[in-house]
Amino acid sequence: EVQLVESGGDLVQPGGSLRLSCVASGFNVNTYEMTWVRQAPGKGLEWVAFFSTSGKNIYYADSVKGRFSISRDNAKNSVYLQMDSLRVDDTGVYYCARYSTSWSFDSWGPGTQVAVSS
Amino acid sequence: DIQMTQSPSTLSASVGDRVTITCRASQRISTWLAWYQQKPGKAPSLLIYGATSLQSGVPSRFSGSGSGTEFTLTISSLQPDDSATYYCQQYSSYWTFGQGTKVEI
Repeated sequence: EVQLVESGGDLVQPGGSLRLSCVASGFNVNTYEMTWVRQAPGKGLEWVAFFSTSGKNIYYADSVKGRFSISRDNAKNSVYLQMDSLRVDDTGVYYCARYSTSWSFDSWGPGTQVAVSS
Repeated sequence: DIQMTQSPSTLSASVGDRVTITCRASQRISTWLAWYQQKPGKAPSLLIYGATSLQSGVPSRFSGSGSGTEFTLTISSLQPDDSATYYCQQYSSYWTFGQGTKVEI
């Protein structure tokens, strides 16, 4: 069974940093593209970052470019999101999602909560 | 950037009703479109991909249609478990979601 579990969410002050983790089971993360998607409180979904199977194609939403960094550890079957220079509007639930061969997000984790506030 | 606009924002219907949600893209995206269902406090789940293909395990009362800039998600006979927010998503150029349509029963 495919499963994704995020962790690392916390309350942090503006300007601070967090590192989110996503552990996968039931498949190998190095055989699928992986993404992060976030959802601000009461709002819709926003794609954040993408990591290709080769690791050569990495994309970010304009809203996080230069502040967030996505990475992968094959040995731990995990994907990470390093978030620096956090802003209040980065607050929300962050989901890890698998990018399927049908070019859509076919498996999602339950999410981890990030709150940026002074 | 490609913008996705859904209508309506909220929809109230009864069990057994046929329900249609519309999604419009700001530029042509062929059939690079997916639909997701999200229930309160839960992660989204994939319903439809490629505009018309039903994801494995999704009930057949869900269907998708459209190409280019206009797409629809139809629930042929609304069930109590279908109470949720539905999002369209384009994957023609990066990934953009619509603002969501809340379906109330």
